[in-house]
Amino acid sequence: SQTIHQWPATLVQPVGSPLSLECTVEGTSNPNLYWYRQAAGRGLQLLFYSVGIGQISSEVPQNLSASRPQDRQFILSSKKLLLSDSGFYLCAWSPGIPYEQYFGPGTRLTVT
Amino acid sequence: GQQVMQIPQYQHVQEGEDFTTYCNSSTTLSNIQWYKQRPGGHPVFLIQLVKSGEVKKQKRLTFQFGEAKKNSSLHITATQTTDVGTYFCAVFPGGGADGLTFGKGTHLIIQP
Repeated sequence: SQTIHQWPATLVQPVGSPLSLECTVEGTSNPNLYWYRQAAGRGLQLLFYSVGIGQISSEVPQNLSASRPQDRQFILSSKKLLLSDSGFYLCAWSPGIPYEQYFGPGTRLTVT
Repeated sequence: GQQVMQIPQYQHVQEGEDFTTYCNSSTTLSNIQWYKQRPGGHPVFLIQLVKSGEVKKQKRLTFQFGEAKKNSSLHITATQTTDVGTYFCAVFPGGGADGLTFGKGTHLIIQP
């Protein structure tokens, strides 16, 4: 069966510090991968998606970036965090469009 | 891209009462998905609707897709405390390998 991992589960970082969140998927190959952000009590905002190694599409302008160095690895990064980057970051995978998405446990990021 | 409006934002019910959340779009949808997010958790896929007028049931949950494929609803009969959470509808904006566009969600609060 397929499993999606995200780490860390929680993170507190000062403004201006770098960020690296990692997501890995097991049990499937060539998945579509996604990064979403959820503000407290709010809906999910799509940040990035990838349909293959090295292929990244960005949905919103921001100071975040994403990379997919391996088929089942998706990384979310920032060089300098802003207060507005705080939120719940969720990675998801899908076997393709228009299939359902499976979410990881998420990372709660607080920028102080 | 396609936008979906979800109502109500919050719904308080007594345990045992029914609950319904609605998702509306100004444009015709190719399909619609529903997710549930427990407090502190990540979204979990519930169902996908594709056909006009489609009705699907999962135990006490009934999902409907409108005849014009512009609206959908999720109805829970005789709510239980395990139903607490936020229910999201989600659609593909189209035009390629895009991620999901989520509604803002309906927070279901159950009073015992």
